[in-house]
Order: sequence, then structure tokens, then C-alpha cells
Amino acid sequence: ETGVTQTPRHLVMGMTNKKSLKCEQHLGHNAMYWYKQSAKKPLELMFVYSLEERVENNSVPSRFSPECPNSSHLFLHLHTLQPEDSALYLCASSQTGQGFYGYTFGSGTRLTVV
Amino acid sequence: DQQVKQNSPSLSVQEGRISILNCDYTNSMFDYFLWYKKYPAEGPTFLISISSIKDKNEDGRFTVFLNKSAKHLSLHIVPSQPGDSAVYFCAASAGQAGTALIFGKGTTLSVSS
Repeated sequence: ETGVTQTPRHLVMGMTNKKSLKCEQHLGHNAMYWYKQSAKKPLELMFVYSLEERVENNSVPSRFSPECPNSSHLFLHLHTLQPEDSALYLCASSQTGQGFYGYTFGSGTRLTVV
Repeated sequence: DQQVKQNSPSLSVQEGRISILNCDYTNSMFDYFLWYKKYPAEGPTFLISISSIKDKNEDGRFTVFLNKSAKHLSLHIVPSQPGDSAVYFCAASAGQAGTALIFGKGTTLSVSS
């Protein structure tokens, strides 16, 4: 596998469920990100992990809980979500400190909260 | 308050013609700008970038122009092809390379044959 892989691609969950989104990067990057894309809105930065430490938490509700166990894996744990949390959740990775490479995005998880 | 703005949600162009996508920003600390392209059911893919020390960067059919005084950048695609039909996101970064990107809402480009 190459690039950034996100699973599952689609997820439907009830408001009382607990689920997790998974992201894996095979690029040797040292930073990983979660973005949320809602209809007619910009991609919203949620969390940034650099060298496995969370360096940014962009005022995200506590019902979203990220986890970065190593530089290749990133999770987003979900619980007690609201219907307005339905969106496309995108993971990205990049290499910091060695010039600008931009991000490599995964294909996203389309989340529907019912 | 949006720091990166793409005020045109959509653009329709005929094949062979020029497509011009626009982006405005408010944060004068931004020093690197990028364009991403997104097809349905896929993540955004990097297209072209420009540093704030330049005013133009060209890569094949794609050229990005930066006007720092106006805080404006544009992406020119010429000639446009049907395969260019996608959502185009403008993004900006401030400070150290690789730090978090701020994105616009995107512009949907439709190229008809």
C-alpha cells in the first residue's frame, strides 16, 4: 500500500454509538492531520500531530477524540455524535522541517450520524 | 472569519479555453500558497504551489499568479480539458514549512467538450 489510507470509507452511526476512524500513512511523514469537510464549507482543520504529539486542537468538541500511537497511524474516536457532525473526514500527512511538501490526503471517511 | 476565500462556488468553461480560478486571503503572514484538486469520492491532491517571494509559478498547463499587494492569487488552466472538471481548493500556510494549511471553500470547475 502506498500513500494515505483511510478506513472505513463510509460509516453510518447512531448518536449513542462509539466508533473510530483509522488513518495510515506509508510515506514516512512525521506529521498527521484530521480535517472535516462539510457541505459548502472550507476544509476545517481539527487536529494536528507532529512527531506523535498533538500540537493543535482547533476548538473541536470533546465527542471527537484523536489518538496517534505512532508516526504512521492516526485515529479519530467518535462518541455521542450529533447529526450536524455528518461530513467527510479527511486525514492528511506531511513532512515538516525539510522544506515544503504540502499534504498528502487520504480518500476520506463519509460519516452519517442518524 | 475566513482567512482564505474562494468567492466563486462554480465555473463552467468550454474545452480548449482558459479556466481562471480566483482566491483571496486576509492573513498577511501567509507565505506559501497551494492549489489542490478533488474528484468525487477521493481526497484532495496537490496541484501546484507558490512561495510568497514569487509572483508566478508554471507547471505545464497550470500557472499560479500571486499578487501580494492585493492578497489575491489565481490559477490559470490552459487549455482546459474535460478531465480538469473537479473541485479546486486554494490553501495557504504561515510560518514553518509543513504547518497546518488553511483552505478555502473550493470552486467546482466544469469543462464541457
